[in-house]
Amino acid sequence: SYEVTQPPSVSVSPGQAASITCSGDKLGDKFACWYQQKPGQSPVLVIYQDSRRPSGIPERFSGSNSGNTATLTISGTQAVDEADYYCQAWDSTTVVFGGGTKLTVL
Amino acid sequence: QVTLKESGPALVNPTQTLTLTCTFSEFSLSTSGMRVSWIRQPPGKALEWLAHIDWNDDKLYSTSLTTRVTISKDTSRNQVVLTMTDMDPVDTATYYCARLAYCGGDCYSRGAFDLWGQGTMVTVSA
Repeated sequence: SYEVTQPPSVSVSPGQAASITCSGDKLGDKFACWYQQKPGQSPVLVIYQDSRRPSGIPERFSGSNSGNTATLTISGTQAVDEADYYCQAWDSTTVVFGGGTKLTVL
Repeated sequence: QVTLKESGPALVNPTQTLTLTCTFSEFSLSTSGMRVSWIRQPPGKALEWLAHIDWNDDKLYSTSLTTRVTISKDTSRNQVVLTMTDMDPVDTATYYCARLAYCGGDCYSRGAFDLWGQGTMVTVSA
């Protein structure tokens, strides 16, 4: 079965850019999306179709996907961005989630 | 405002069958293109997709759970129902329903979950 892998944790200083990766075999041939989940809350979609932002998501969130890696980038990271982030892709007719990355804003 | 809300038992015994209901508003599963999935998350762990149903009653299942999970819809009540048989303590999790959107003509490659319910915590224990 298809799998996508994320680093368990990423740390960033306030105001700096944070990058969270999602790796999978030829992931660039698929579409990736990203969810933000804060403690005790439901996930929120922040990026879909590799790089598109839903309405209401700040412009500092961006995404890319090429080769075997999709990347979520948060520019000018704020304390409010501290959360778990999950990537998601489709493999045939199955939804695949990554293991999640805890973003810490130090 | 579009909302989804999960409901069901908070506690089930091992080997029992779990039945969860997702009730949604401001959209209908009788409308072409509408799709809803069930996703779960064990405490402190990652999201896991379980099953999916669309307006045309087409259904998809996680390959690892296909023998235990059934998804169905009641269009008149705006509900999607998930049943999971032979529950085990490892099935303890928060169970979410979510709407699939942003399909761009191909949901099964482009689709993303734009709206989620608040989740319902299910504990499997004797």
